[in-house]
Amino acid sequence: GDSVTQMEGPVTLSEEAFLTINCTYTATGYPSLFWYVQYPGEGLQLLLKATKADDKGSNKGFEATYRKETTSFHLEKGSVQVSDSAVYFCALSYFAGGTSYGKLTFGQGTILTVHP
Amino acid sequence: NAGVTQTPKFQVLKTGQSMTLQCAQDMNHEYMSWYRQDPGMGLRLIHYSVGAGITDQGEVPNGYNVSRSTTEDFPLRLLSAAPSQTSVYFCASSSPLYYGYTFGSGTRLTVV
Repeated sequence: GDSVTQMEGPVTLSEEAFLTINCTYTATGYPSLFWYVQYPGEGLQLLLKATKADDKGSNKGFEATYRKETTSFHLEKGSVQVSDSAVYFCALSYFAGGTSYGKLTFGQGTILTVHP
Repeated sequence: NAGVTQTPKFQVLKTGQSMTLQCAQDMNHEYMSWYRQDPGMGLRLIHYSVGAGITDQGEVPNGYNVSRSTTEDFPLRLLSAAPSQTSVYFCASSSPLYYGYTFGSGTRLTVV
């Protein structure tokens, strides 16, 4: 079956540091890939997405590229802020065809803390 | 445009009680799904639906029941609550035209 693996956390950085959160996946087909963010006490918000190989998703200074050859979707940001402190989830889904569409498969989440 | 609405936001149940968590969306999305979030476990799929009248089990379906009689609503029923069902529950909706999922704000359930 499909699965998503994220780097172990928590991750602690100083403000303006470079961020990478690794995400790799195992998929039986060609899924869409997502990064969701959950701020303390809140629900999940879509951060960025990519629907096919070599697509780059970007939002709020965050980027991730869909790499089919390495089955990866690593999240990066060049300069983090205190306000980026949150839990980040990598996920995959299919949207049509086969028997696995209409649902998300999540990684375990990575806690990011950014200090001033 | 309300998006995905979950009610209630908080609930405390006694072991053995039953209740229904409500989820409604106003975006005419075909797909709806329920997840539970536990510390250190990420989000796990409970049940999902790809259209009215169609439901299927996810990773952790035991103790939960769902039905989808309309496109808008996807309630999650706990038939006999157990302490192991203490968790935060999220509902989400999506569509092949959207290529993304919209989440509700969650229901924090405590079973004592």
